[in-house]
Amino acid sequence: ETGVTQTPRHLVMGMTNKKSLKCEQHLGHNAMYWYKQSAKKPLELMFVYNFKEQTENNSVPSRFSPECPNSSHLFLHLHTLQPEDSALYLCASSQERSEGDEKLFFGSGTQLSVL
Amino acid sequence: KNQVEQSPQSLIILEGKNCTLQCNYTVSPFSNLRWYKQDTGRGPVSLTIMTFSENTKSNGRYTATLDADTKQSSLHITASQLSDSASYICVVSAAGGGADGLTFGKGTHLIIQP
Repeated sequence: ETGVTQTPRHLVMGMTNKKSLKCEQHLGHNAMYWYKQSAKKPLELMFVYNFKEQTENNSVPSRFSPECPNSSHLFLHLHTLQPEDSALYLCASSQERSEGDEKLFFGSGTQLSVL
Repeated sequence: KNQVEQSPQSLIILEGKNCTLQCNYTVSPFSNLRWYKQDTGRGPVSLTIMTFSENTKSNGRYTATLDADTKQSSLHITASQLSDSASYICVVSAAGGGADGLTFGKGTHLIIQP
C-alpha cells in the first residue's frame, strides 16, 4: 500500500449523471494531485493542490471540478461527462509541491467508463 | 516542447531472462529522472531517481543508468520474475518546475512469461 486510497475503484456513469471521486492520503503530505491516464497516452496532470490551495489547473474542462477540504482529502466532482472522458483517474500526493525532486505517491486509481 | 520517448512500447520475455528498457528525453533544464513501475490495476510506484551527477543506481534486480550528455536513460532488469510484469514509466523533471513540471513517457508494457 502506498498510503493513498481512492474510491470507488470502478465507476460506470451516463453522460447526464453526477458523481464524485474520492482520494485520501495517510502520509502527512501537503500536496495532492489529480492525473488522467488514457490508454497508450502519457499521464496528464489535471489539478494540483498545495497546502489546500489550488495551484494548477491544466486547462481541464469545467465538467471536472476538484475540491480539497484539507491536506488529506481530495475530491473530483464529475458532471455531464463525455465518452472520451473514460480513463483511469489517479490521485497522488507528495510532501509538498517544490522544485521537482519530490516523489509522487499514487493511489490505485478509479477506472471510469462514461456511456 | 519537453518530451519523453520510451522504447520498446511492449516487450515479452521468458522468466529468468534479462531485459533493458530505454528512455530518451528532451526536457530542459534537466533536474532528475524517475522510473516508476505500474502493476495492472494499481497506480505507479517509484523505483529509482537519477540526478544529473549519477550514472548508475541499483535497486535489487533493477539497475538504472543515465547519460545526461545524450539525454538517455535505461532500466535493466536482471533475472526477471513473473512479478516484474508491469508497465514501466519514465518521468523527467524540469528544474524549478515542481510536480507540474514533470514530463511522463507513455511507458513500456513488460510481460514475463513462465
